[in-house]
Amino acid sequence: KAGVTQTPRYLIKTRGQQVTLSCSPISGHRSVSWYQQTPGQGLQFLFEYFSETQRNKGNFPGRFSGRQFSNSRSEMNVSTLELGDSALYLCASRLTDTQYFGPGTRLTVL
Amino acid sequence: KQEVTQIPAALSVPEGENLVLNCSFTDSAIYNLQWFRQDPGKGLTSLLLIQSSQREQTSGRLNASLDKSSGRSTLYIAASQPGDSATYLCAANTNAGKSTFGDGTTLTVKP
Repeated sequence: KAGVTQTPRYLIKTRGQQVTLSCSPISGHRSVSWYQQTPGQGLQFLFEYFSETQRNKGNFPGRFSGRQFSNSRSEMNVSTLELGDSALYLCASRLTDTQYFGPGTRLTVL
Repeated sequence: KQEVTQIPAALSVPEGENLVLNCSFTDSAIYNLQWFRQDPGKGLTSLLLIQSSQREQTSGRLNASLDKSSGRSTLYIAASQPGDSATYLCAANTNAGKSTFGDGTTLTVKP
């Protein structure tokens, strides 16, 4: 069974631009969560989607948004990028309780 | 607000040693607790998940325990190997699907 996939793996953007990251969950998993990982803040929860509905949200500004499609694939969008948005963005899918993570997208904002 | 702390932040041991990693959480109303391993620049690999009603879980050389009342979990690694070198993270999860992660313990196992 294929694992969680994330595209692109690496991305370089400049301040003020926007970016869209994609996550394809394990087949059959309907829950997808997004996390931001930085050296200073560690792993922080962004939001969780289940059956196309946002079920949970972390403490991030409105510039961070997401959505989930009917096939459970999810996208995360960050608008008006700031230098501090440079991070590894991880998504995780789950069927029951165990979360399975993708390899992440490394975003660098210049 | 849930806070998760992992001690120590870094640990270096010789190959073959048994070791314990610690995870503490402030809100005992957790649904489960999950331990992960992360290799540099990579995603997280799930190691063990302990439900709030359980005391421990075992997988191979790994054993994780949970004491909800004291807000603590430990990950025991037996007979450590160089391939165990990685960062180990714990996550306290609510039944609403929200996860709070610790900052991790970076383990180095020297041959």
